[in-house]
Amino acid sequence: QVQLQESGPGLVKPSETLSLTCTVSGGSISSYYWSWIRQPPGKGLEWIGYIHYSGSTRYNPSLKSRVTISVDTSKNQFSLKLSSATAADTAVYYCARELRYFDWLPAFDPWGQGTLVTVSS
Amino acid sequence: DIQMTQSPSSLSASVGDRVTITCRANQIITTYLNWYQRKPGKAPNLLIYAASNLQSGVPSRFSGSGSRTNFTLTISSLQLEDFATYYCQQTYSIPYTFGQGTKLEIK
Repeated sequence: QVQLQESGPGLVKPSETLSLTCTVSGGSISSYYWSWIRQPPGKGLEWIGYIHYSGSTRYNPSLKSRVTISVDTSKNQFSLKLSSATAADTAVYYCARELRYFDWLPAFDPWGQGTLVTVSS
Repeated sequence: DIQMTQSPSSLSASVGDRVTITCRANQIITTYLNWYQRKPGKAPNLLIYAASNLQSGVPSRFSGSGSRTNFTLTISSLQLEDFATYYCQQTYSIPYTFGQGTKLEIK
C-alpha cells in the first residue's frame, strides 16, 4: 500500500524559499505523476503543480513564477520549492499521487496527511 | 480557471439519513470530476472518480452522478464515520480546481 509523507520546516521567514519533500513508501515513484496541493487557513484547496517521474512538470499559472517541483527517483522522493514566500503562502501542504483512470482521468490517490507551513518573521 | 461551486457549504444530518451534495462547474467538464472526503488530521481520501466510479474500498453507500456542469455526491444511509468534509475537484483542465468544501456534521 503506497503511503506518502511530507517533511520540511514548519516555519519560513518572509522572502525566503519554502521547501518541502514528499517521501513515497510501499511502492515506486516511477510510472506516475505526483502533485502538491495546499490549503491556507479558512480557504479552499489549491493545486500547486505536478511532476512526472521522468521529470516533466506542469504548474498552476498563479504560482508558476515561484514554484519548482523536482523528483529524485533514487530516493523515491519528490520536492517542492516556493520562492519569495509571503504570509499568503501559510497553509497546510499536501502531496499526492496522481493516477490516470482509463488512461485519461486524473485523480489523486493517495494523499499525505499534510504539513502546516507558517510564513512569519 | 474553471470555478467549482459546492452546495451546501455545511449540512447537519443524522445517522441513517440520505444526503446529497451538489457540485457545479462554470464550464463543461464532461465527467472529469472527482470527490474526496477529508477528516480532521487525516489525509484526504478519494471516493469517486470520473463522476460516478466508486474507488476501490469505498463503501457502496457512496455514489456519484452527473456530467457536463452538474454533479452530485449521495450518501444513501449516513454512518458515524461519514461525518467529514467533502470536496469536488475538476481535472478537465489545468489548473485543477476544487470546490470550497461541504462540512457534514451530526445533527
